Amino acid sequence: DAGVTQSPTHLIKTRGQQVTLRCSPKSGHDTVSWYQQALGQGPQFIFQYYEEEERQRGNFPDRFSGHQFPNYSSELNVNALLLGDSALYLCASSLWERGVQETQYFGPGTRLLVL
Amino acid sequence: AQKVTQAQTEISVVEKEDVTLDCVYETRDTTYYLFWYKQPPSGELVFLIRRNSFDEQNEISGRYSWNFQKSTSSFNFTITASQVVDSAVYFCALDDSNNAGNMLTFGGGTRLMVKP
Repeated sequence: DAGVTQSPTHLIKTRGQQVTLRCSPKSGHDTVSWYQQALGQGPQFIFQYYEEEERQRGNFPDRFSGHQFPNYSSELNVNALLLGDSALYLCASSLWERGVQETQYFGPGTRLLVL
Repeated sequence: AQKVTQAQTEISVVEKEDVTLDCVYETRDTTYYLFWYKQPPSGELVFLIRRNSFDEQNEISGRYSWNFQKSTSSFNFTITASQVVDSAVYFCALDDSNNAGNMLTFGGGTRLMVKP
């Protein structure tokens, strides 16, 4: 049973560029959430996707956008990259069942460095 | 607004010592969930436990135990007879989204170093 997978594992970009990160949820899960973790800090919630729609969003600018596909996989896009966007980006998947969101399970993350 | 505080940024112990990681949370909701995750150097967050606000029973899983006290808004984590493999950053998290989707609010983490 495959867990949450993310690609790429590492990425180096320059300021102003755009980046796309990818996530495949754990088998049987239908919800994907994205978090940003700066060095030495706890993860911060970016947004969550369910049924191909953004269901909830944290305090992140519109430069951060996402998408969920019919197979439940998801992409995180960041436009006009800033140095401060350098972080570990974590994807988590979960199952929405009987009106309750079950536990979120995390992938290994993508380390983004913006130069 | 919700908030999670882990006052201990780093703890260093010698193998076989017991260690407790503190977590204090703030929420206005009566229904919420609390979590602990472990983050080894590889970076992946590993789920340890989920507890809902209506279940104050303490839980034990092998060398791990959790003490949930609503009266003090605390959800502390104890590792008994620590081992070198326990070295990691541990995060406490809160979900009080109440079925409107869910978002985890994390504390700043506690780095645990277990020395042989």
